[in-house]
Amino acid sequence: AIQLTQSPSSLSASVGDRVTMTCRASQGISTSLAWYQQKPGRAPQLLIYIASTLESGVPSRFSGSGSGTDFSLTISSLQPEDFATYYCQQFYSYPLAFGGGTKVEIK
Amino acid sequence: QVTLTESGPALVKPTETLTLTCTFSGFSLSTTAMRVSWIRQPPGKPLEWLARIDWDDDKFYMTSLKTRLTISKDTSKNQVVLTMTNMEPVDTGTYFCARMVRGYHYFDYWGQGTLVTVSS
Repeated sequence: AIQLTQSPSSLSASVGDRVTMTCRASQGISTSLAWYQQKPGRAPQLLIYIASTLESGVPSRFSGSGSGTDFSLTISSLQPEDFATYYCQQFYSYPLAFGGGTKVEIK
Repeated sequence: QVTLTESGPALVKPTETLTLTCTFSGFSLSTTAMRVSWIRQPPGKPLEWLARIDWDDDKFYMTSLKTRLTISKDTSKNQVVLTMTNMEPVDTGTYFCARMVRGYHYFDYWGQGTLVTVSS
C-alpha cells in the first residue's frame, strides 16, 4: 500500500505569509494527488486535484505542484480563513490513502 | 446541487454491528463512472478511506477491514449503506460519505459526517 508523509505536521504563520507544505509518497504516483482543507468539525474540502489543478471556486492563492513522489501545496498569502488542517490524498492505486495532515496555526 | 447526508447511531457497544446510511441528491449512482466512498476520522487523527461502491455495483474495501465491511447501494432511494461488524472502541470517530469525481478517484463532495462512539 502507498503511504503519504506530510511535513511539517504543524506550522505557525501570520496573515500575509507565504506557506508551503509537502507530501511525499512511498512510491511514484505520477500526478495522482489531491489536496483538501479541513476546518474543525467540518468535512474536508477539495482544493487541488491531479497535483496542480485548482478546484473551481478555490482562491488562486492556493497552488499545487509535483509529480512522482514529491508534492507541495503553497498558499501565496495566508488569509485568516486559511487556518486549518491540510491533507493530501493519493488516487494512483487502491487502497486510497491520505497523509497525516499539516495543521496551519496562527502565529 | 449535490448533497450527501450520513445517518446512523451515535453510540454502539463493542462487538455490535454498525449500520450507516448515506443519502444523497444532485446525482445518480446509476450514471456511468459515478462512485461513492466512505471515509472515517478518529478524533484528532487523519482521514482513512474505508470502502467504495461504483455505478455498476463494483465494490472495493480497505484491506485491513475487508472482513468487517460491507457496502451496498439502493439506487432508487439514492442511498449507500455501510455496515461494519464487531465494532471496537478504536472504531470511534466521524464517518463521512463522499462522492468521487466522475471517472476519477478523489472526492469533490462530502457529507457533514456522523460521529460514532463505541463504548459499553
